[in-house]
Amino acid sequence: AQSVTQLGSHVSVSEGALVLLRCNYSSSVPPYLFWYVQYPNQGLQLLLKYTSAATLVKGINDFEAEFKKSETSFHLTKPSAHMSDAAEYFCAVKEAGRRALTFGSGTRLQVQP
Amino acid sequence: DAGITQSPRYKITETGRQVTLMCHQTWSHSYMFWYRQDLGHGLRLIYYSAAADITDKGEVPDGYVVSRSKTENFPLTLESATRSQTSVYFCASSVPGNTEAFFGQGTRLTVV
Repeated sequence: AQSVTQLGSHVSVSEGALVLLRCNYSSSVPPYLFWYVQYPNQGLQLLLKYTSAATLVKGINDFEAEFKKSETSFHLTKPSAHMSDAAEYFCAVKEAGRRALTFGSGTRLQVQP
Repeated sequence: DAGITQSPRYKITETGRQVTLMCHQTWSHSYMFWYRQDLGHGLRLIYYSAAADITDKGEVPDGYVVSRSKTENFPLTLESATRSQTSVYFCASSVPGNTEAFFGQGTRLTVV
């Protein structure tokens, strides 16, 4: 069964600093991978997705993620944090042939001025 | 506007009552899903539907019932609400393939 592990339920960075949110998956075959962002009292918005094309995926708001098969990882990065990036971030996986996404437990990003 | 809408946004109900959460999408997506979001658990799948009249259990289906008589609607019913069902519920939709799911704004349900 597929599962997703997000290391660190809370991450705090200073404005302008690098953002790194970690995601590891367990799957028998390379799955499709997604990062979503959730702002307070809102639904989830897609940041980016990996679907077996380029291993470095660029998303909205300067976020990007790199698929590393050898490490079964799909970490999310942003070079310079902005106050508006404060939100909860979810990594999700979908194996080929499955219909639903499986989510990690989420990482709350706090951005300090 | 096109999209996926959930109603109500907030609901307080008493233990033992039946409550239905509504979900409507205007994209004609074949797949629809219900997730619940709880602290420390992320989102967990309750039920999903591949098409009208086709539904299947997810990870945490106990205490919930779904139906899908029309492609655009996917209501979730708590037959006899319990405090453990206090949560934020998200409806989502997608199309077949390696595609993402699109989420509604959520319903915050409190069972007292």
